[in-house]
Amino acid sequence: KNQVEQSPQSLIILEGKNCTLQCNYTVSPFSNLRWYKQDTGRGPVSLTIMTFSENTKSNGRYTATLDADTKQSSLHITASQLSDSASYICVVSATDSWGKLQFGAGTQVVVTP
Amino acid sequence: DVKVTQSSRYLVKRTGEKVFLECVQDMDHENMFWYRQDPGLGLRLIYFSYDVKMKEKGDIPEGYSVSREKKERFSLILESASTNQTSMYLCASLKTSPGFTQYFGPGTRLLVL
Repeated sequence: KNQVEQSPQSLIILEGKNCTLQCNYTVSPFSNLRWYKQDTGRGPVSLTIMTFSENTKSNGRYTATLDADTKQSSLHITASQLSDSASYICVVSATDSWGKLQFGAGTQVVVTP
Repeated sequence: DVKVTQSSRYLVKRTGEKVFLECVQDMDHENMFWYRQDPGLGLRLIYFSYDVKMKEKGDIPEGYSVSREKKERFSLILESASTNQTSMYLCASLKTSPGFTQYFGPGTRLLVL
């Protein structure tokens, strides 16, 4: 069973609207959680990283939250733009196995005009 | 800026052919990774290397081998390509200080006929 579950699998939003993506994980012992953005045909690019003690991190219009108690994270996109159309991947690493990062399957976001 | 390059963006090979996928990073990172990415499955680790000539199996190493003769170069080898190895292959290198950040290459889309 995948230790990182993302929802929804995909979503379509209108340009200018906000959206929130979810990531639930069971990875333990937890080290950090990272959100990546992957444009079609390209490799993933890091958006944010959060450790156990951090519960929110922003990168422009992207804001990630982390609840280490419930093992949940969210990525909020504010005032979406067409360039936000991409796959968003949640990645969790454990303190004892950095070489084996756990990847979610991703949420495909499509922003329409 | 860290740069991770992969030798090909697209490859078409026939069943049974030997396939080499090359990855080069220019930041003197010790740790490099090979993943495959399939729809709905996310990224799955094939092999990783934590130093020259050092390698470890990931989650799905069957049918693959790797080579790390120089620090900057990490090669993935499909000894005898099969149709179920049709996939997107992503290489990454890992910066470990400060913090852990993976940098991904653009990916190689491999089609095995």
